[in-house]
Amino acid sequence: SYVLTQPPSVSVAPGQTARISCGGTNIGSKSVHWYQQKPGQAPVLVVYDDSDRPSGIPERFSGSNSGNTATLTISRVEAGDEADYYCQVWDTRPDHYFVFGTGTKVTVL
Amino acid sequence: QVHLQESGPGLVRPSETLSLTCTVSGGSLSSYYWSWIRQPAGKGLEWIGRIYSSGSTNYKSSLKSRVTMSVDTSKRQFSLRLTSVTAADTAVYYCSRELGFGSGSYRFDPWGQGILVTVSS
Repeated sequence: SYVLTQPPSVSVAPGQTARISCGGTNIGSKSVHWYQQKPGQAPVLVVYDDSDRPSGIPERFSGSNSGNTATLTISRVEAGDEADYYCQVWDTRPDHYFVFGTGTKVTVL
Repeated sequence: QVHLQESGPGLVRPSETLSLTCTVSGGSLSSYYWSWIRQPAGKGLEWIGRIYSSGSTNYKSSLKSRVTMSVDTSKRQFSLRLTSVTAADTAVYYCSRELGFGSGSYRFDPWGQGILVTVSS
């Protein structure tokens, strides 16, 4: 099955930039979506189609996707950005459908 | 604004059937796919399956033999049944709306708050 690999953790100081990678074979050919999940809460879509933001998501959240790696970038990190982040793609192979990444815990120092 | 709410038993005995319902408010079920996704404690997200407003379904291959989904558009509800549960099915179960159908951009927004289901005797 299609596998999306994320680093288990990323640490960043307030005001700095956090970059979270999502690796997958030829992921650049797929649309990648990113979710933020704070403790005890449901995931929230923060970036879709590689780099678009849903209404209400700050411009500090951005994304890119090329080759075998997609990246979620959080600029000017705030304490409230501390959460788990998951990438997700649609696997076009029959009977596979949705795949989530392994998840990355972002810690604000 | 669409809001989703899961409901159902929080405790299920091993080998029995897990049954959950998701109630949608603030919008129609029509012309969307609706999914169930679960998350064991401390672990990642796992897509279980989806149902279209017409009743058409798709399930994760490894769960297909145990999963059934249904929809009741008049009640604005869709449901999940998972048979022969074991401790490995213990998780928070989320329902969600799928966006991007037909465009190739399949994603989930919004999500319900989730419901913890524990499989234990």
